[in-house]
Amino acid sequence: NAGVTQTPKFRILKIGQSMTLQCTQDMNHNYMYWYRQDPGMGLKLIYYSVGAGITDKGEVPNGYNVSRSTTEDFPLRLELAAPSQTSVYFCASSPNTGAPQGEQYFGPGTRLTVT
Amino acid sequence: GENVEQHPSTLSVQEGDSAVIKCTYSDSASNYFPWYKQELGKGPQLIIDIRSNVGEKKDQRIAVTLNKTAKHFSLHITETQPEDSAVYFCAATFDRDYKLSFGAGTTVTVRA
Repeated sequence: NAGVTQTPKFRILKIGQSMTLQCTQDMNHNYMYWYRQDPGMGLKLIYYSVGAGITDKGEVPNGYNVSRSTTEDFPLRLELAAPSQTSVYFCASSPNTGAPQGEQYFGPGTRLTVT
Repeated sequence: GENVEQHPSTLSVQEGDSAVIKCTYSDSASNYFPWYKQELGKGPQLIIDIRSNVGEKKDQRIAVTLNKTAKHFSLHITETQPEDSAVYFCAATFDRDYKLSFGAGTTVTVRA
């Protein structure tokens, strides 16, 4: 298994541009998550999904959109990039189909710079 | 929502010494507390976790302790080695929720 894969690894965007960060997992996990990591701030949850067709907002959803059409894929869309979205983005997945909470498996991250 | 505070933000230890990282949480309903290790250029990886019905858990050189009354939990690394150098994150959640609340992270450097 490749686990959780993310593309691209690096990207530079101009203000106002749009892009999609791709995330795929091959572990048949129901739960998937998008986090952003800013220096000294830990990880903040952007959106999460508990299964195909179901998504919900996390702590910092503004400026982002997600979709979950398949179990494997959970893309994150930035519509109008702003400098405040400069960050490292991590996708994660978890095998839970119910409580209790279990391990989240993280991808290698996408480093995004908006100038 | 849950608020997790983590201290210290940086920690430098001599190889072979112990390292301790402490976290406090705000929501008394939280009952699952994982610790993640992030090496340079990689995503975080779970190293140990504890649930609220347990006070301590060990796995070789790492251990986690939980004090529910005081709402704090700690990571202990004994006999530190250079490969322990990384950023460590604590987190907390209520196990019927799907969202982890992370601390800000501790950068651990093990000096040879």
